[in-house]
Amino acid sequence: SAVISQKPSRDICQRGTSLTIQCQVDSQVTMMFWYRQQPGQSLTLIATANQGSEATYESGFVIDKFPISRPNLTFSTLTVSNMSPEDSSIYLCSVQLGLDQPQHFGDGTRLSIL
Amino acid sequence: GQNIDQPTEMTATEGAIVQINCTYQTSGFNGLFWYQQHAGEAPTFLSYNVLDGLEEKGRFSSFLSRSKGYSYLLLKELQMKDSASYLCAVSGYNQGGKLIFGQGTELSVKP
Repeated sequence: SAVISQKPSRDICQRGTSLTIQCQVDSQVTMMFWYRQQPGQSLTLIATANQGSEATYESGFVIDKFPISRPNLTFSTLTVSNMSPEDSSIYLCSVQLGLDQPQHFGDGTRLSIL
Repeated sequence: GQNIDQPTEMTATEGAIVQINCTYQTSGFNGLFWYQQHAGEAPTFLSYNVLDGLEEKGRFSSFLSRSKGYSYLLLKELQMKDSASYLCAVSGYNQGGKLIFGQGTELSVKP
């Protein structure tokens, strides 16, 4: 499986600011995804990060709030914009090496907004 | 749409066997995954079923019945370190590989 590096691992941010989370993979992967895990909850898919084109967002998530970049097959970023306390969550990137392959997750970014 | 149900929490005794069930409804089923997530950590992949039957991997086994929309994860010879959340996730055909996760089952292993 691929080695996934996600950073920062955690951050405490002020209301109204934005934070960009990075996800780096040690090999080229076609599929990359971004998830949110709110306290005590399961994982919710935010979007599929598409290389060279706009991300595909799930219902309830919009590009203005969660802009995503995917400049190449090994790297993606997720920005959480204009943060509020409700955005306090763990944000995880995942990669999938093929359609019949499992997704593997980065270690996550624990975000707290004051 | 897709719907996935699993028990919220379970308790079992060290050395015992526990079965965690997962039922799902999805259009165009293309595989079911089980993940383990310890508190404060990222999910780690446990098993994958796309055909009916039992997949065994050491102390962990996973079963799938596509006609019943049903899967279970079987953990044998439970150890204290098996205390974790177990997540069932379903992949839909023509969904580009994305996974829909159930709410997770919090397993507590007692001595």
